[in-house]
Amino acid sequence: DVKVTQSSRYLVKRTGEKVFLECVQDMDHENMFWYRQDPGLGLRLIYFSYDVKMKEKGDIPEGYSVSREKKERFSLILESASTNQTSMYLCASSQGTVNTGELFFGEGSRLTVL
Amino acid sequence: DAKTTQPTSMDCAEGRAANLPCNHSTISGNEYVYWYRQIHSQGPQYIIHGLKNNETNEMASLIITEDRKSSTLILPHATLRDTAVYYCIVRPLYQKVTFGTGTKLQVIP
Repeated sequence: DVKVTQSSRYLVKRTGEKVFLECVQDMDHENMFWYRQDPGLGLRLIYFSYDVKMKEKGDIPEGYSVSREKKERFSLILESASTNQTSMYLCASSQGTVNTGELFFGEGSRLTVL
Repeated sequence: DAKTTQPTSMDCAEGRAANLPCNHSTISGNEYVYWYRQIHSQGPQYIIHGLKNNETNEMASLIITEDRKSSTLILPHATLRDTAVYYCIVRPLYQKVTFGTGTKLQVIP
């Protein structure tokens, strides 16, 4: 069974803390994605990566960075967490280098910034 | 990037077919249409995809108009477990995959 695992289901952090959200996939997929989901706004793409050490900005990259040192792992970093980054974060991966290949999602990480 | 437009919400009686429309009038010739659904508190789940032809699998059917500017996802016999948010997306060539707000389908007993 294909699997995308996010390290924490629930996190509570304080304003100004550095936060790491980890995502690991076991399907040898080239592409990985980070989304955030907020009520009424749907899923919004933060960053994506189509290869090791490669990254591309999505629609809302401000306040975030990412790291992809190994093919199976894609980390989302909040350098200095703020309350407006309280959200559900979803990681996904997909096979392939063109526009096919379904996305497989993790269970999500719900981050609360106090 | 091609954008999609979907109704915000829809109701469907249990046992009836649910027809969920999606408009993607700016789609390019090499872009696929994908459908996902998200049940509360879970990550989105793939349903079906297509390029030009109609497609069917064990979950649903996808009807794409001849001009490819719109599509319809059909759940042939909706059950209460089909209550979810359904996302229609256009898959661009360079992997930036953008979701919108989707259609919230409520299946009514």
